[in-house]
Amino acid sequence: SQQGEEDPQALSIQEGENATMNCSYKTSINNLQWYRQNSGRGLVHLILIRSNEREKHSGRLRVTLDTSKKSSSLLITASRAADTASYFCATVAFYGNNRLAFGKGNQVVVIP
Amino acid sequence: EPEVTQTPSHQVTQMGQEVILRCVPISNHLYFYWYRQILGQKVEFLVSFYNNEISEKSEIFDDQFSVERPDGSNFTLKIRSTKLEDSAMYFCASSENGAAGTEAFFGQGTRLTVV
Repeated sequence: SQQGEEDPQALSIQEGENATMNCSYKTSINNLQWYRQNSGRGLVHLILIRSNEREKHSGRLRVTLDTSKKSSSLLITASRAADTASYFCATVAFYGNNRLAFGKGNQVVVIP
Repeated sequence: EPEVTQTPSHQVTQMGQEVILRCVPISNHLYFYWYRQILGQKVEFLVSFYNNEISEKSEIFDDQFSVERPDGSNFTLKIRSTKLEDSAMYFCASSENGAAGTEAFFGQGTRLTVV
């Protein structure tokens, strides 16, 4: 079944550096969404990119989508200690259903 | 800012007992969802609810699970006879349109521990 799948990463970076994480999926999608989860907390929606979009920005976030490669990347620029969290991509299938299919998540640690 | 609220934040229950997890979605949203996350694993879809009925459910959502919108604000998930493997974080979410159209807003979750 179609689902988001992040490259399994645990990033540890210095404050001010950029963090990049990737996500791949298997089937046609309507859109792809990125979420953040702080330890033991809920999921916070970051950005949604539709299948006909290639790039989207929101503040310090930049998301790209390559439907030919079935992959997406999330870039966090000028990272801050508060960006320390797990980041998940989730896809919505092109046909029919409304469920979000989540990947395994990337743990990002930003060192002050 | 509107948010999805869930209660309780943590529930411990004996195996075989019934539990009800409660959620108050964002007031103008029309679509409601339950997801769960077993410790260390992916977030998994359970069920979506629209227009007072289930619109979609996953293979996880078997006869032991049910959802209800008993009034204009609450959205509940009931597990009739809990099993050890039901231990997980359960997230409620809501969206203005279906997930295909807009982003889903998640609650803080209920950590269910079955002993």
